Amino acid sequence: QKEVEQNSGPLSVPEGAIASLNCTYSDRGSQSFFWYRQYSGKSPELIMFIYSNGDKEDGRFTAQLNKASQYVSLLIRDSQPSDSATYLCAVNPSGNTGKLIFGQGTTLQVKP
Amino acid sequence: KAGVTQTPRYLIKTRGQQVTLSCSPISGHRSVSWYQQTPGQGLQFLFEYFSETQRNKGNFPGRFSGRQFSNSRSEMNVSTLELGDSALYLCASSLEGGGIQYFGAGTRLSVL
Repeated sequence: QKEVEQNSGPLSVPEGAIASLNCTYSDRGSQSFFWYRQYSGKSPELIMFIYSNGDKEDGRFTAQLNKASQYVSLLIRDSQPSDSATYLCAVNPSGNTGKLIFGQGTTLQVKP
Repeated sequence: KAGVTQTPRYLIKTRGQQVTLSCSPISGHRSVSWYQQTPGQGLQFLFEYFSETQRNKGNFPGRFSGRQFSNSRSEMNVSTLELGDSALYLCASSLEGGGIQYFGAGTRLSVL
């Protein structure tokens, strides 16, 4: 079992729709969770971070964390073609050191 | 505030050679983490340096090494290069490791 799992996609949604990206992790003691966006040929860019159970909203993005189910998700409302990218889920197992475990990433395609 | 700077951006080496990559973190950040990204394995953690000490190490052979200087700048070295070392090498900095990591643009290494 991989430590952090994501559906590789591609996930295709029409412009203006809600895109839902999911991630599960195996280390129950994991402390902090991150979503990064990576455009082709570019480096990862932080979209959201979440540390506590529940929802966290920032503009069109909502991160959801359920530690009991070991599940993190990212919702993108009003999806735009510019949102087309690979979305990487990252988990920090310890919370106080700089080791992130990444999923394989989900490719999102937003069609005009 | 300047971001994370990685040099060089591109490198071409031949098998058996060694290579040194450099990373300058965001001013005030003391933790530098290194990652390798390949199409097959995704983003994998190499190691983390904090206060000039290696604090975490991923599952890579001893040919991969690094160091951190007193100004928090970090270098990683790969000796006896193999074809499979061709990858995008990313460094990320954070204040003290457990929080948000900001990525540099990466160094793309090609081993011929």
